[in-house]
Parts: sequence; structure tokens; C-alpha cells
Amino acid sequence: GAVVSQHPSRVICKSGTSVKIECRSLDFQATTMFWYRQFPKQSLMLMATSNEGSKATYEQGVEKDKFLINHASLTLSTLTVTSAHPEDSSFYICSARGIRETQYFGPGTRLLVL
Amino acid sequence: RKEVEQDPGPFNVPEGATVAFNCTYSNSASQSFFWYRQDCRKEPKLLMSVYSSGNEDGRFTAQLNRASQYISLLIRDSKLSDSATYLCVATGGGNKLTFGTGTQLKVEL
Repeated sequence: GAVVSQHPSRVICKSGTSVKIECRSLDFQATTMFWYRQFPKQSLMLMATSNEGSKATYEQGVEKDKFLINHASLTLSTLTVTSAHPEDSSFYICSARGIRETQYFGPGTRLLVL
Repeated sequence: RKEVEQDPGPFNVPEGATVAFNCTYSNSASQSFFWYRQDCRKEPKLLMSVYSSGNEDGRFTAQLNRASQYISLLIRDSKLSDSATYLCVATGGGNKLTFGTGTQLKVEL
């Protein structure tokens, strides 16, 4: 089946630093990738839709200048959390849309901001 | 009102039991529906798509009732390995996925 990877799987950083998370589709091309965030005991919340070669579309309430998304190729999208703060600590998951609109999820990145 | 609503559970059932989860969605324009499974601290994995005619995959049966905006998942002969959180998912505008908060299942000996 389709495989999506994420890197890093876990990151701990100091408040004020920026963190970049990579999402790659390993065996298929994905013109559209999605970035989600999940807080403990809550559902996945879509943050933004990443489109190859164009600007990302952000959901209401998500700051585009804080969560920078770049989808430079058909297999790679990156999410950069700029000036991270403790409230940004969460489980960030990407997904890539494959055939028949199925979304395949990456293994997620746990971010802890101290 | 949440777009996709599920009973959070937990559902504690003995091994071999049959268990059913229900889900309702509020967006009548939703076209596609799925059940995902999420293990603790892991990403969601697609369990099955849900079709109006109902569909079965081994011990799992999914049903969709568009008139009532209701989706169900039935698990027969439950195994210990079925313990997980089951996420009901509906597509919204732009084929975005909207997730429910999930229903937790614990299968016990």
C-alpha cells in the first residue's frame, strides 16, 4: 500500500525556536497533502491543505505566518512551526491523497516545546 | 454541534463479542465516508470505506444511511488486537476529511 513518511518522529525544542517537519510520499506522487494536529484525547484537526506548486490553504483560526507550509515537489511537503511556544506542543500528522481520494497518513511527529 | 459525532466510549467487551459503533454527521453534502483505526500514540490507518449499499471486510461491516446521516461499524468475533480508537470520517468541501473524536474499544480476555 501507499506509504507516507514523516521526519522527525519526535522533537523537543526551546520556546522561540522554529521546527521543520517533513512529509514524504514514498511510492506515489501526491499533488495534495494535508497537515493535521491532534491534542490529547481530541480528534484530528485539519490545519491546512498543501498543494504542489502553489500556496497552501489554511483552515480558519490557523495562522499562516506561524505555520509555514512548502510543497516544493510531488513527494515532499514541509511544515515549519515558527517561534514555537508550549501551546504548540502537539501531535502533527500529515497525509497524502492517493488514488480514489484515499488519504494515507504519515506516522506523525510529536512536538514538545519547553 | 460537531460535524462528526461519536460516542467516545470506552466500550469494554470480552473477546469474541460483537460490538457496534455509531456515528452521525451534520454536513448533508458529504460524499465519502470512512472508518479509520488509531492505536495509542500512532497515526490513523484506514480500516474501510463506507458505501450506501453497506460493505463487509472480514469481521467488519460498515453501513451508511444518508437519509439519517448516520454511519455504523460492526465488529464480529472481536479480538484483543481490535483494541484501539475507531474514527468516523466524512468528507467535506474540497474533499477534506472531517474526523470524529473517536470511539475507544477495549477487548478483554
